Amino acid sequence: EVQLAESGGGLVQPGGSLRVSCAASGLTFSDYWMTWVRQAPGKGLEWVASINQDGNERKYVDSVKGRFTISRDYAKNSLYLQMNSLRVEDTAIYYCATVRGTFFSDYWGQGSLVTVSS
Amino acid sequence: QSVLTQPPSVSGAPGQRVTISCTGTTSNIGTIYNVHWYQQLPGTAPKLLIYDNTNRPSGVPDRFSGSRSGTSASLAITGLQAEDEADYYCQCFDTSLSGSVFGGGTRLTVL
Repeated sequence: EVQLAESGGGLVQPGGSLRVSCAASGLTFSDYWMTWVRQAPGKGLEWVASINQDGNERKYVDSVKGRFTISRDYAKNSLYLQMNSLRVEDTAIYYCATVRGTFFSDYWGQGSLVTVSS
Repeated sequence: QSVLTQPPSVSGAPGQRVTISCTGTTSNIGTIYNVHWYQQLPGTAPKLLIYDNTNRPSGVPDRFSGSRSGTSASLAITGLQAEDEADYYCQCFDTSLSGSVFGGGTRLTVL
């Protein structure tokens, strides 16, 4: 059974940093593109970043470029999102998910809440 | 303002049929990239409902179906059930943004 488990969320002040992690099991991690999708309180889904199987191709939504970095560790079967210079508008539940074929996500984690507030 | 446009809400009585539209542009739905749909029940993570315009993952009832034409796509739900009450999102890859885009979401209410 495929499982994705996010961790590392919490409360951080504006301008601060935080890293959320996603531990994957039940799949061959190196076979998948992986992605982060976020959902602000009471709002819709927003794609944040994706990384390819080799880790050498990364894509970001414009609003996080230069502030967020997506990465992966094959030894730990883990996906990461390093978030710097956080803003209030980055407050959201951050979901990790697999990416298949034409960029659809068939497996999702339960999400990790990141709150940016003073 | 989402790149893909969905109606904020739709409703229907049990047993009825409803459709949810998703309107895009020539940079996303109007390209070779396919449209996907997700169902999000309250307080839970999104679940893949339809992929590649018309395909259902294993376990998704055939009451759910998808279609696509030009720069638009639709999700149809027949034989509405109370358990279908959820938020529904469409998604596609956008060639101008070089990333994935979602619709704003549609809240389905079963009357």
